[in-house]
Amino acid sequence: GESVGLHLPTLSVQEGDNSIINCAYSNSASDYFIWYKQESGKGPQFIIDIRSNMDKRQGQRVTVLLNKTVKHLSLQIAATQPGDSAVYFCAETGGQAGTALIFGKGTTLSVSS
Amino acid sequence: NAGVMQNPRHLVRRRGQEARLRCSPMKGHSHVYWYRQLPEEGLKFMVYLQKENIIDESGMPKERFSAEFPKEGPSILRIQQVVRGDSAAYFCASSPPPPSTRVFFGSGTQLSVL
Repeated sequence: GESVGLHLPTLSVQEGDNSIINCAYSNSASDYFIWYKQESGKGPQFIIDIRSNMDKRQGQRVTVLLNKTVKHLSLQIAATQPGDSAVYFCAETGGQAGTALIFGKGTTLSVSS
Repeated sequence: NAGVMQNPRHLVRRRGQEARLRCSPMKGHSHVYWYRQLPEEGLKFMVYLQKENIIDESGMPKERFSAEFPKEGPSILRIQQVVRGDSAAYFCASSPPPPSTRVFFGSGTQLSVL
């Protein structure tokens, strides 16, 4: 099954399901968006990125979708595994120099076996 | 190739003391970013530095906080006269020079102010 919706602070799925994590961004001038995964006690780990001139990018088991009209970003994880359990953050470029990462609110993904 | 190295991993200070957090970027990276993360929250940008130069400090508190990235040695985030509200996880990230946008994070320093 899939879980889709507006930004949720938590998402619980069964192992093997597909997961969809959503994010709304604020800066329409951002030209680069990234998804990070953060496990407890660790720093954020890069998952996948997308430039503003694209609307979809696929990686291994992950897909990022960008909808610039509504300033919405989503991360799809196929066949979710227990090791995917973590907090997921979207980030956009910003700051005075345009290169700082501005993070959104995280979504805690819990995968049960 | 070692990743971004931060030390110490945990730092305990009493109110009024100074905290120094160190960050060694990945080999070949000349750009460093500092972020702060409060419990249950996302990372908040603080400062962006190149060697010997502060590029963007728009996220730094106006008082007590400073950062440097000298020509030799690690980047230092310095917090003077710490208060309990400074307790947080502080993450450092590094990247190659732009136009690269690939940013790598360290494991963070957990600062606890008693």
